[in-house]
Amino acid sequence: NAGVTQTPKFRILKIGQSMTLQCTQDMNHNYMYWYRQDPGMGLKLIYYSVGAGITDKGEVPNGYNVSRSTTEDFPLRLELAAPSQTSVYFCASRLTLGAPEAFFGQGTRLTVV
Amino acid sequence: AQSVTQLDSQVPVFEEAPVELRCNYSSSVSVYLFWYVQYPNQGLQLLLKYLSGSTLVKGINGFEAEFNKSQTSFHLRKPSVHISDTAEYFCAVINRDDKIIFGKGTRLHILP
Repeated sequence: NAGVTQTPKFRILKIGQSMTLQCTQDMNHNYMYWYRQDPGMGLKLIYYSVGAGITDKGEVPNGYNVSRSTTEDFPLRLELAAPSQTSVYFCASRLTLGAPEAFFGQGTRLTVV
Repeated sequence: AQSVTQLDSQVPVFEEAPVELRCNYSSSVSVYLFWYVQYPNQGLQLLLKYLSGSTLVKGINGFEAEFNKSQTSFHLRKPSVHISDTAEYFCAVINRDDKIIFGKGTRLHILP
C-alpha cells in the first residue's frame, strides 16, 4: 500500500520562484492536511480540505495556496518563495468516522535561498 | 482555541528505565487524542489513540497512555525504554472543526 505519497523529497528554490508540492493518497480518505514543521515548533497547519472542491485555511496560510479537484490529490502551491518558507512540509489524510487518525507522507524538505 | 501543551521539549532517560512524556490539552468537549512518533528524517507514525471507552490505551512498541478527563491530560508512558525509542514524540487532538492540533513535541534521548 502506498498510503500518502509526497513529491519531491527535497527541493532548493531561489527567492521569488514558485513551485508545487504534490500529495497523493490512495486510501479514499476525505480529509487532507498540509503542515509545516520547524525545529522546536511542532507542526503548524497551513491548509486543510474536508473533501473534493472544499478547502480552508489553517494557522499559517499566508504565502501558500491549495486546490482539491479530486479525492486523491491535494497539491500545495508556493507562488513567491521567501526564506521564511524554508521548512519541512508534511501532507496527511484521514477518514472522519471509525478510524480518525491521520496518516502522513514522508515529507518534503524545502530550502529557499 | 483548542491547544495542546507538551511541557517537556527534551527528556533524557537511561536505557531500560521508565519514561513519561506529558501532554495536556484544552477542551471542554469530547475529543480524540493521539500520540505520534517521528524518527529522524521520517514522517509521523501513529503510536496510539484515544477515541472513547477505557481510559488506558495501549499502543505499539510497548507504549501506553492514560486519558484523564478531569486533568485534561493524556500522558505517554513506557516501563522500560530501548535505544531504538530515540525519537520525537507528538501529542495531538482533533478539534470540532476537524483540524488536527499538535503539541510542539518532546525529544526522547536514551542514555546508554
